Amino acid sequence: ETGVTQTPRHLVMGMTNKKSLKCEQHLGHNAMYWYKQSAKKPLELMFVYNFKEQTENNSVPSRFSPECPNSSHLFLHLHTLQPEDSALYLCASSRGGLSSYNEQFFGPGTRLTVL
Amino acid sequence: AQKVTQAQTEISVVEKEDVTLDCVYETRDTTYYLFWYKQPPSGELVFLIRRNSFDEQNEISGRYSWNFQKSTSSFNFTITASQVVDSAVYFCALNRGGADGLTFGKGTHLIIQP
Repeated sequence: ETGVTQTPRHLVMGMTNKKSLKCEQHLGHNAMYWYKQSAKKPLELMFVYNFKEQTENNSVPSRFSPECPNSSHLFLHLHTLQPEDSALYLCASSRGGLSSYNEQFFGPGTRLTVL
Repeated sequence: AQKVTQAQTEISVVEKEDVTLDCVYETRDTTYYLFWYKQPPSGELVFLIRRNSFDEQNEISGRYSWNFQKSTSSFNFTITASQVVDSAVYFCALNRGGADGLTFGKGTHLIIQP
């Protein structure tokens, strides 16, 4: 596997379900990100992890819970979601730290539908 | 607060025409980075270019070129001799560097007609 992978690619869940999105990067990066892309809003940053430490939470509701066990893996745990949470969830990674080579590389996304 | 504006929601041109996508940004930081990404119908964002605030040199990569002007806070993207494969949504983005999240514009949907 190369680049950034995300599983599952598609997910349909009810409002009372609990599910998790997984992201894995094979680029040797140290920073990972979650973004949300919905039809009504531009791409929105959700969370940032730098060397496994959460450095940014962009006022995301607590029904979204991130986890970064190591620099290669990032999870987004979902529970009690609302229909308006339906969106494409994109994971990205970058070198991290203070590197000026800070372009982010994105995974293919998970298309989430909340019924 | 940072802001990126892509005023062109959708552009449609005929193949082989040149097309310019506009990007205007706002930031109070003296050091910042600008990016362009391409999102084809498959959905994955593809990195195209990174520029830092201290480097105003224009860049050319094949049919793609970028014009960075700090005086007008713009970072425009031109595709020369467009091709159908260039059809996608293009996003301009901004961050402070390091592991900072990206602030995206709303994107420009580019349609290249054969």
